[in-house]
Amino acid sequence: DTEVTQTPKHLVMGMTNKKSLKCEQHMGHRAMYWYKQKAKKPPELMFVYSYEKLSINESVPSRFSPECPNSSLLNLHLHALQPEDSALYLCASSQDPLAGNTGELFFGEGSRLTVL
Amino acid sequence: GNSVTQMEGPVTLSEEAFLTINCTYTATGYPSLFWYVQYPGEGLQLLLKATKADDKGSNKGFEATYRKETTSFHLEKGSVQVSDSAVYFCALTNQAGTALIFGKGTTLSVSS
Repeated sequence: DTEVTQTPKHLVMGMTNKKSLKCEQHMGHRAMYWYKQKAKKPPELMFVYSYEKLSINESVPSRFSPECPNSSLLNLHLHALQPEDSALYLCASSQDPLAGNTGELFFGEGSRLTVL
Repeated sequence: GNSVTQMEGPVTLSEEAFLTINCTYTATGYPSLFWYVQYPGEGLQLLLKATKADDKGSNKGFEATYRKETTSFHLEKGSVQVSDSAVYFCALTNQAGTALIFGKGTTLSVSS
C-alpha cells in the first residue's frame, strides 16, 4: 500500500463554517505535509509535521489549524475562511524529514476547497 | 533562499516529438533536484530525482542531469506520447533540507 488518502475530495463551505480536511498514510512515513495549490500555480508549503510534531509553519493564517493525531493521520481544521482560500489542498508524506536531501514526497490527490 | 525557475508553457508537441523543459536553480549548498508530474485531476507524482552533481535521473523515458556548472536540471524525453500530457514541476530542497520548493510548472500537451 503506497497511497496517501485525502478526504473529502471536494468541499464547499461558507465563510462562517468550521470544517476539516483529513489525510491518511500507511507507509510508515514519519513526516507529513500540507501544501496549498491555486489554479495553474505550483504547490506552496503550509505545514510540516516531523515525528508528529509541527516543525514548519510557513506563516499560515491562524484560520488554518493543523493537527497530527498520530503518525498516520494529518488533519487541517478550517475556520472563518475567505474566498481567496479556495484552492486544492494537497497532503504529502515522506519516509523521513527531508534532512539529508534524499527524501521524496508521496502526494495525495488533494481536497478541492471552495469558500463561498 | 533556494529557488527554481522553469520555462513557461504551455508546450505543445506532436506524438513522437522530442521534449525539453528547461529548469535552472539558485541554491546555497548542494540541494537535491526533482521533477514531479501532475496529471489532470490528480496529485503530484515523483518522476525522477538527482541528489548530486552529474547524477542523471531517469524514469519512463524521461531524463534529467544535475549540472552544477550551469545550475540546471533540464527534463528531456526522446519521443513523447499523448499520455505524457500533464503539468511538470521542477523542484529542489530548501536550504535546511526539510521541504521542497516547486517551480511554477510547465504544461505539456501532446497530440496524436
